[in-house]
Amino acid sequence: AQSVTQPDIHITVSEGASLELRCNYSYGATPYLFWYVQSPGQGLQLLLKYFSGDTLVQGIKGFEAEFKRSQSSFNLRKPSVHWSDAAEYFCAVGRRRGSNYKLTFGKGTLLTVNP
Amino acid sequence: EAGVTQFPSHSVIEKGQTVTLRCDPISGHDNLYWYRRVMGKEIKFLLHFVKESKQDESGMPNNRFLAERTGGTYSTLKVQPAELEDSGVYFCASSQGGVHGYTFGSGTRLTVV
Repeated sequence: AQSVTQPDIHITVSEGASLELRCNYSYGATPYLFWYVQSPGQGLQLLLKYFSGDTLVQGIKGFEAEFKRSQSSFNLRKPSVHWSDAAEYFCAVGRRRGSNYKLTFGKGTLLTVNP
Repeated sequence: EAGVTQFPSHSVIEKGQTVTLRCDPISGHDNLYWYRRVMGKEIKFLLHFVKESKQDESGMPNNRFLAERTGGTYSTLKVQPAELEDSGVYFCASSQGGVHGYTFGSGTRLTVV
């Protein structure tokens, strides 16, 4: 069965600092990988996804993630964090079933941004 | 296009009562999913509809939960009778399938007291 580990429950960074959120997955085949963000009072918003091809994926809001098969990782990065990035971030792996997939999420990483 | 709409946004009910959550997917999305996050836990899959058919309901916790999708459009998730451990945030998502990502709704926060 697939699983996702987000080792950091809570991270605090200063505004303008760089950010890296870690994600490791376990899945028997080439995975579909996702990062979602949930801001307070909001739903889950897709930041970026990896299905195949270039292992460096660009997303919305200036985020990017790199798929490293050898490390079973899909870490999320942003070069300069803004106060509005404070939210909870979820990594997920998609288990394929035909042309569809079922998501398995990590427990999430809560990001606090200090002014 | 309109997003995925869920209502109510919040619901507080007493143990033993019945609650029905509703999800309106993006028009034209055949795939509709329900997920749940119990406090302090991961977001977990409940079930998947393709049009009006249940494709996968392996995540439904027990027979107190009943999901339907009328005519392949909106979906409802009924909890009857509700228990304390059912408290959490219930998310609905829809997708065109293939390499497209899901679009999630803003969730329904259910509190059973």
